[in-house]
Amino acid sequence: GEDVEQSLFLSVREGDSSVINCTYTDSSSTYLYWYKQEPGAGLQLLTYIFSNMDMKQDQRLTVLLNKKDKHLSLRIADTQTGDSAIYFCAEKGGFQKLVFGTGTRLLVSP
Amino acid sequence: GAVVSQHPSWVICKSGTSVKIECRSLDFQATTMFWYRQFPKQSLMLMATSNEGSKATYEQGVEKDKFLINHASLTLSTLTVTSAHPEDSSFYICSARRTTPYNEQFFGPGTRLTVL
Repeated sequence: GEDVEQSLFLSVREGDSSVINCTYTDSSSTYLYWYKQEPGAGLQLLTYIFSNMDMKQDQRLTVLLNKKDKHLSLRIADTQTGDSAIYFCAEKGGFQKLVFGTGTRLLVSP
Repeated sequence: GAVVSQHPSWVICKSGTSVKIECRSLDFQATTMFWYRQFPKQSLMLMATSNEGSKATYEQGVEKDKFLINHASLTLSTLTVTSAHPEDSSFYICSARRTTPYNEQFFGPGTRLTVL
C-alpha cells in the first residue's frame, strides 16, 4: 500500500534555511503536496508539484522531487518564527485520495 | 480562495451520547468531501469519502455504524459520532474537493472532540 515517511522534528534558527524531507512509495502518484498545520488548526496548502517536474519554486519555498528515489523535499529560505508548525507531505493516490506523511514539526528559534 | 468551515470547532460530550459535526464548503460546490481523524502528534488518517447523494465510502477499519456520514447537499456533509466513548476523542478534519478550474482539496479548520 501507500506509505509516506517524514523525519519527526527539525529545529533551526531564524534566518537559516529549513529542509524538510519526505519519502513515498507509490510510484504512480501524479501530484505531491506540502501542507502546513499550526497548533489546533486545519491544514493549509503551501505548494504542490506535478510528478513530471523536478523542481518548483514559489517565493521562499522550493520543492525538489526525485522520482527515481521517490524523495520529496521542501526548502524554506530565510525561515521565520512564524514558520514554526507541523509540515505534512502528501501524495495523491488511488481514487483521488490524499495519503499524508507522518508530519515534521519545525521549530524556529529567534 | 475556497473556504471550508466546520462546526463546532470544539465539543465536549458525555460517554454514550452522539455528536454531529458539520462541514460546509462556503463558496463552491463539492460533490466529494473527505473526513479525517488526527490523534495528538500524529498524521491525518482518512476515515471516509463522502459523496453527495450516495453512500459514503469508508476506509478499512472504520465502523460505518459508529461514524455516520450524510452528504445531503453540494455544500454540506455531516459526521455523526454515535455512542461516543473516550477513545473517540480526537481532532476531526474535513476537506472538500473543488473540481473547477482543477481538482483541489480545501481543508476545514477541524473539530476537537473530547468525550468524558
